[in-house]
Parts: sequence; structure tokens; C-alpha cells
Amino acid sequence: GNSVTQMEGPVTLSEEAFLTINCTYTATGYPSLFWYVQYPGEGLQLLLKATKADDKGSNKGFEATYRKETTSFHLEKGSVQVSDSAVYFCALRNSGGSNYKLTFGKGTLLTVNP
Amino acid sequence: DTGVSQDPRHKITKRGQNVTFRCDPISEHNRLYWYRQTLGQGPEFLTYFQNEAQLEKSRLLSDRFSAERPKGSFSTLEIQRTEQGDSAMYLCASSYNIDSPLHFGNGTRLTVT
Repeated sequence: GNSVTQMEGPVTLSEEAFLTINCTYTATGYPSLFWYVQYPGEGLQLLLKATKADDKGSNKGFEATYRKETTSFHLEKGSVQVSDSAVYFCALRNSGGSNYKLTFGKGTLLTVNP
Repeated sequence: DTGVSQDPRHKITKRGQNVTFRCDPISEHNRLYWYRQTLGQGPEFLTYFQNEAQLEKSRLLSDRFSAERPKGSFSTLEIQRTEQGDSAMYLCASSYNIDSPLHFGNGTRLTVT
């Protein structure tokens, strides 16, 4: 079956620090990969996505590259801000049959201090 | 675009009671999803509608759970004879088509005492 494993949090950084949140996956077929972000008191929002190997998703200074050889989709940002404090979820959606279903990781809480 | 709306935001109920949650998707979205999120976990898929048709129901949903989407617009999720293990955040999402991003509501937090 499908599964997503993210690095456990919480992650605490100072403003302008470099961020990496690791994500690896197990899936059959050729999944699409996503990062969702959940700010306090809000619903999940799509942050970025990649649909095939070697694609790089990017948004708001965040990047993640779809690495098929290592089954990874690590999230990075060069300089975090206090406003980036949130829970980050890695997710996959399989191709074929149940391709409407997202499988999420457990989430990683990021706190950025000024 | 007012986003996905869920009601209520919070629900506290006693074990054994029935509860019903409502989700209003983005108006032009014909696909609607329900997920459940427990503390420290990511959202888990519960069920999926394309228009008014319920196309899949997860094994996580016991027969105490039922979801409907009459007329392919809003959806309701009902839990009968609630148990403490039902306590969770229930998330609704919608999308325009199968390849479109999911738009999530803010969720309904259920506490069963």
C-alpha cells in the first residue's frame, strides 16, 4: 500500500535559517507528490506539487524535487520567516484506480522564532 | 470563491449520541472528499463523491458513519451512536476535477465525552 514518512517534529528555527523537512514515500505506480501547509486555525492549503520524476515544485520560496531513485520529496527553504510557522504535510496521490485519494504523512510542526 | 465551508467548527457530544456535520464545497467543484485527522496524525481518507455519487468509502468508516451529497452540492457526514474513538477533526475538501488541487475547509472538531 501507499505510505508517506516525514521527519518528526517539532522543528524550531531562528528567522532566516535554512529549512529542510524530509519526506520519503512508498507507492505503486507513479504517484504525484504534494506538500500541504496548515497555519494555526486554518485548513490545509496546497503549498507545492510535482507530478513526475525530477520535477521541482516551488512556491513562496519553498522547493521540493521529486526524486524517484530515493523515493523522496524533501521540502526546503533558504531563509524562513516567522510567518512560515505552521504544520507541513507531505502527501502522495497515486496514478490509476484510486487517483483521487491523498495519502498524508503525520505532519511536521515548524516554529520560527524572531 | 468563498472557499470550502464546514459547520459546525466544534461539536461536543456525549457517547451514544448522533451527530451530523455539513460541508459546502466551492460552487463549481463537482468532487468532494471527507478526511479524518486525529492528534499527531495526518488526514486519513474517508469517502469521495463525484457529483452526487459516492464512489468510494474507506474501511475506516464503520456502518455507524454515513455520508450524502444530495443534488451534488453540499454534503453531510453523520455519525450514529458516537464513541470516544470518533473524537477527531473531520475535514472536507473539494476539487474541480481529478487533477485539480484539493481545497480544504477548516474542519469540524468532534469531541465525544
